[in-house]
Amino acid sequence: RKEVEQDPGPFNVPEGATVAFNCTYSNSASQSFFWYRQDCRKEPKLLMSVYSSGNEDGRFTAQLNRASQYISLLIRDSKLSDSATYLCVVNPGYALNFGKGTSLLVTP
Amino acid sequence: GAVVSQHPSWVICKSGTSVKIECRSLDFQATTMFWYRQFPKQSLMLMATSNEGSKATYEQGVEKDKFLINHASLTLSTLTVTSAHPEDSSFYICSPSTFEDNEQFFGPGTRLTVL
Repeated sequence: RKEVEQDPGPFNVPEGATVAFNCTYSNSASQSFFWYRQDCRKEPKLLMSVYSSGNEDGRFTAQLNRASQYISLLIRDSKLSDSATYLCVVNPGYALNFGKGTSLLVTP
Repeated sequence: GAVVSQHPSWVICKSGTSVKIECRSLDFQATTMFWYRQFPKQSLMLMATSNEGSKATYEQGVEKDKFLINHASLTLSTLTVTSAHPEDSSFYICSPSTFEDNEQFFGPGTRLTVL
């Protein structure tokens, strides 16, 4: 079983739509959680950290459910520039474990 | 955020040659360097971890004699792919860390193509 699992997509949505990504992780001892964004042929960049209390950054909302070992990312009012691959990332206390990513394409 | 450079950004080489990739943290001292690789449509996979001045620790399935890592200073680490073969073609990304910040930074990556 992979340590971090994501639906690879692709998710094709129109501009302005709301889209949600989910992720599950297997290591219950994991300590910190993140969503990264990766554009084609580029390095990943931190989008936001994820906390059990839920956190919001503009149009982006992330949520962590430790009991279910489940992480989510909600993007509201999608922009064309949101098109990218979104990586669910878990830190079990050593180095980061990456999901394969969920591909998002926002269309006009 | 931190500034991390990698050189070269891309390289094409013949099978059997060795390729050295440099990773520099330009504005902070990295006590630890993580090296990842990413095959097309796959996740980033940790290859090895090195601490400045000591030998690298390799993940299972990564040959330490093939992927030589040197972390001689707090701002420079190198990964050498020895006797590269087409199956080594991948996107190699370094990630220097101080463990003081919550965010982990990444180099811009090196795209290696072995013919």
